Amino acid sequence: GIQVEQSPPDLILQEGANSTLRCNFSDSVNNLQWFHQNPWGQLINLFYIPSGTKQNGRLSATTVATERYSLLYISSSQTTDSGVYFCAVTSTRTGKLIFGQGTTLQVKP
Amino acid sequence: NAGVMQNPRHLVRRRGQEARLRCSPMKGHSHVYWYRQLPEEGLKFMVYLQKENIIDESGMPKERFSAEFPKEGPSILRIQQVVRGDSAAYFCASSPLTSGSTDTQYFGPGTRLTVL
Repeated sequence: GIQVEQSPPDLILQEGANSTLRCNFSDSVNNLQWFHQNPWGQLINLFYIPSGTKQNGRLSATTVATERYSLLYISSSQTTDSGVYFCAVTSTRTGKLIFGQGTTLQVKP
Repeated sequence: NAGVMQNPRHLVRRRGQEARLRCSPMKGHSHVYWYRQLPEEGLKFMVYLQKENIIDESGMPKERFSAEFPKEGPSILRIQQVVRGDSAAYFCASSPLTSGSTDTQYFGPGTRLTVL
């Protein structure tokens, strides 16, 4: 099946810094989503982005489907950005999402 | 428009008991997915259901686990004779799936199951 790898596994930032999270996948996909799991365990949809670029406030994402990777950019990070960021993809008609192992982000004040 | 609802949010069971987890999809969504997150791990797909049909159960353990999505009411994930290894967060997601498998999945808050 399709493999999803995220990097880095862990990231520590000072408040105000920028960061880039990467998601590599091993096959063509028809769905790619980025999620933020906050310290309370809730999964928050960030982007649905099988291809192209999207922006939402301080966050933006780019997926280059032909090269099988996606990037999540966080600018001017805040302590509330802390948590785990997951990339998930699907390549099947049933739509089941395959998750990466996540990037754990800690933003220090 | 209410989001995906799951209840209970926390569930404690002793070994050997049954656990029933409920999921109500977003209004207008007829496709439900269940995922499990073991401690310190990512989410793993369990089962995909449409109303009255199990479409893909390739991620479900072969024994003790079952799922349904009846014509009326929420989707139910049922775990019989729970063991400590079943302790995890169970997430439900729904999708309108109006265009094949390319729709966004929206996740509920999860049910955290603890087996004593």
